[in-house]
Amino acid sequence: NFMLTQPHSVSESPGKTVTISCTRSSGSIGSNYVQWYQQRPGSAPTTVIYEDNQRPSGVPDRFSGSIDSSSNSASLTISGLKTEDEADYYCQSSDSSNGVFGGGTKLTVL
Amino acid sequence: EVQLVESGGGLVKPGGSLRLSCAASGSTFTSYSMNWVRQAPGKGLEWVSSISSSSSYIYYADSMKGRFTISRDNAKNSLYLQMNSLRAEDTAVYYCARDSMVRGVIVYWGQGTLVTVSS
Repeated sequence: NFMLTQPHSVSESPGKTVTISCTRSSGSIGSNYVQWYQQRPGSAPTTVIYEDNQRPSGVPDRFSGSIDSSSNSASLTISGLKTEDEADYYCQSSDSSNGVFGGGTKLTVL
Repeated sequence: EVQLVESGGGLVKPGGSLRLSCAASGSTFTSYSMNWVRQAPGKGLEWVSSISSSSSYIYYADSMKGRFTISRDNAKNSLYLQMNSLRAEDTAVYYCARDSMVRGVIVYWGQGTLVTVSS
């Protein structure tokens, strides 16, 4: 099994843009889709990006996802930051059988 | 609108058993793979198990193999997780989650049910 590594925390000001990375330890990042989940305190996770760069209905286009084969990583970019974006963000992918989650990144909007 | 509602959580003693249920509505349940994901207090998300639409393919995280059993009843639009030989480290909120048309791509989440393993 591979691992997904995320920064423990990031912070940025309202209105700015932030990017959260997710690096795959082995195997190609492009081998399996990457998803991103948002979890606000006390709430269940919700999906903000699936299949690398697709947004579920209702997720604003300020959220975007991408993958970079050269760094074997995926990224979640949030532009025009709002205070309501403050949350934990998790990346996730799967191999042929198991699901794998990153450790999560706490986003602070201050 | 897709809705996933978990139930069956509670307090159980170490070594005990518990069966979680997840009732699905708002989509064709039989078309999608389903998952259980858990989150220990103050910790990150951990994938537990998944089951394909027809139950042909079932997978478990290594630490759950032999103790947990995932199943589904497509006629009842329901997903289950039978948990045996429970340990303190199994204490967590357990989420039911539905895939997209691609297995391993979670799109919908339930609100979770808390399982506490303590004497």
